[in-house]
Amino acid sequence: GENVEQHPSTLSVQEGDSAVIKCTYSDSASNYFPWYKQELGKRPQLIIDIRSNVGEKKDQRIAVTLNKTAKHFSLHITETQPEDSAVYFCAASRSGNTGKLIFGQGTTLQVKP
Amino acid sequence: NAGVTQTPKFRVLKTGQSMTLLCAQDMNHEYMYWYRQDPGMGLRLIHYSVGEGTTAKGEVPDGYNVSRLKKQNFLLGLESAAPSQTSVYFCASSYVFGDTEAFFGQGTRLTVV
Repeated sequence: GENVEQHPSTLSVQEGDSAVIKCTYSDSASNYFPWYKQELGKRPQLIIDIRSNVGEKKDQRIAVTLNKTAKHFSLHITETQPEDSAVYFCAASRSGNTGKLIFGQGTTLQVKP
Repeated sequence: NAGVTQTPKFRVLKTGQSMTLLCAQDMNHEYMYWYRQDPGMGLRLIHYSVGEGTTAKGEVPDGYNVSRLKKQNFLLGLESAAPSQTSVYFCASSYVFGDTEAFFGQGTRLTVV
């Protein structure tokens, strides 16, 4: 079945540094790759997503890259701030009624002031 | 516009008891999902629905049942609760299946003793 692996499980950076979280997926038919942020005690919320026809997407300090050949995608956060501290989840799915949104195991990011 | 609402927010059950978690969305979404979140395991798909009257199994369906009698509601049932079902449960909905943003409810923290 579909599987998404996410690394690292925890990441600690100094404020202002960059953070990178990596995910690999198993279903070669996957074509949608969202990233969700979950603050402590809150619900997951979408922060950025990318589709398979795009190799990179940026939104201010966050960016996502996709390598379809290697079946991996990454989240990049630059100039990290304490409010970036949260759990981040990657996910993968395919379009259509046969697709299921499968999540990675999550990465706990701590940004130290 | 409430989005996705889960009821209840917290619950403690004794082993063997039954309960139903209710998820309601007011965005006219066709697709709805139930996930469970456990430390270090990310969000795992329990069951999902691609429309009113239809349901399907996800990654971890054992011990759970679901129903989608109305488009706006998705119910998750535990017939005989077990301690292994202690978790935080999230409902989500989306406009397009697996290809657009999933909106999450606020979560239900369930403890089975």
